[in-house]
Amino acid sequence: GEDVEQSLFLSVREGDSSVINCTYTDSSSTYLYWYKQEPGAGLQLLTYIFSNMDMKQDQRLTVLLNKKDKHLSLRIADTQTGDSAIYFCAESKGGGADGLTFGKGTHLIIQP
Amino acid sequence: ETGVTQTPRHLVMGMTNKKSLKCEQHLGHNAMYWYKQSAKKPLELMFVYSLEERVENNSVPSRFSPECPNSSHLFLHLHTLQPEDSALYLCASSQTPGTGLWEQYFGPGTRLTVT
Repeated sequence: GEDVEQSLFLSVREGDSSVINCTYTDSSSTYLYWYKQEPGAGLQLLTYIFSNMDMKQDQRLTVLLNKKDKHLSLRIADTQTGDSAIYFCAESKGGGADGLTFGKGTHLIIQP
Repeated sequence: ETGVTQTPRHLVMGMTNKKSLKCEQHLGHNAMYWYKQSAKKPLELMFVYSLEERVENNSVPSRFSPECPNSSHLFLHLHTLQPEDSALYLCASSQTPGTGLWEQYFGPGTRLTVT
């Protein structure tokens, strides 16, 4: 299977909360990341969490990490039309310059 | 403005052409990356340069040739590409971390179409 897995699509109503889930396989990952990609643009780092943390909150964004299950989630409160994008989960394996391993991305679709 | 620029934004080339993609970062970082983003695959890391030395080459075909003349500039030279090489090519940069935090900043990408 893939190193980092995500659902491909999530549809939510405007104003509701969105929860995007991700599972990863490498227990040695030191940091886990959420990136956002809007149409025609590159990836924008939204937030990250260190592997010894359970939760991180930043305004409308809440990241939850279950290290035992290797499960990461991103909650977006009060979802707006501007949140419509592809959200990528990524992990860094630590150590040398090996970059990031990304999931395939979750398309967040906002219904009016 | 992300601080990482890429040119051109769009490129159409034939299989016998030679072209180059350019990336420039204005963030004072010392590591730069090329990624390939295809429609049905996860982002694929192609090359990593740290302190202008190549440290990663994930079995990328030789028709892709990177060049990093200094810490601010990164090129991807293309020759005799195949239609399956059509994709969005993303450049990123970061500060080589001592703590494992790979906070990468991405450019907008070059949309490459090989005909």
